[in-house]
Amino acid sequence: AVRMTQSPSSFSASTGDRVTITCRASQGISNYLAWYQQKPGKAPKLLIYAASTLQTGVPSRFSGSGSGTDFTLTINCLQSEDFASYYCQQYQSYPQTFGLGTKVEIK
Amino acid sequence: EVQLVESGGGLVQPGRSLRLSCAGSGFTFGDYGMHWVRQAPGKGLEWVSGINWNSRTIGYADSVKGRFTISRDNAKSSLFLQMNSLRAEDTALYYCAKGRLNGMTYFDYWGQGILVTVSS
Repeated sequence: AVRMTQSPSSFSASTGDRVTITCRASQGISNYLAWYQQKPGKAPKLLIYAASTLQTGVPSRFSGSGSGTDFTLTINCLQSEDFASYYCQQYQSYPQTFGLGTKVEIK
Repeated sequence: EVQLVESGGGLVQPGRSLRLSCAGSGFTFGDYGMHWVRQAPGKGLEWVSGINWNSRTIGYADSVKGRFTISRDNAKSSLFLQMNSLRAEDTALYYCAKGRLNGMTYFDYWGQGILVTVSS
């Protein structure tokens, strides 16, 4: 199975910051990568698919980039509602696999 | 509005069985692959099983292969997961998720999750 490694596993940031989360695949997955946001006690929410395509209704401060093995999720001007956990997921190779997540906490 | 509502979870002893259901609405259920994804307490997400629109293509994670069976009833817009020979490590919140693509896919809508606890 393709292993997805996210970094960092957690970090603290302030409202208004620009933050970047990275996700590395153990083998090339082209652009078959999605990002999800999960808040405590809630289901994951799709943010980005195909590495850089924003899901309908997701604020434009979220963006994704990358191809092959290295990917990033960037949040510009962090808002209070963005403090959550974020997961990457590859869907190029069976079985689809997730990263272990990155928790963004309030500084 | 797309809605996915899981049911059937609960506390079960190791070695016993449980059947989860997921009722879909707000979209043409029979047009999409459907999946189960689980999350152990305090842990990350794990894809468990998926079934394509006509039930001809089914997949399982190695961790549940031979013990879990996924099925669907398009006439009733329902997805099921029959879980047999349950183990403590199957304890998790189980999410029903709608696939956007056929085959390998990402998940554009998720249910609220249903808790399965395997313990004696």
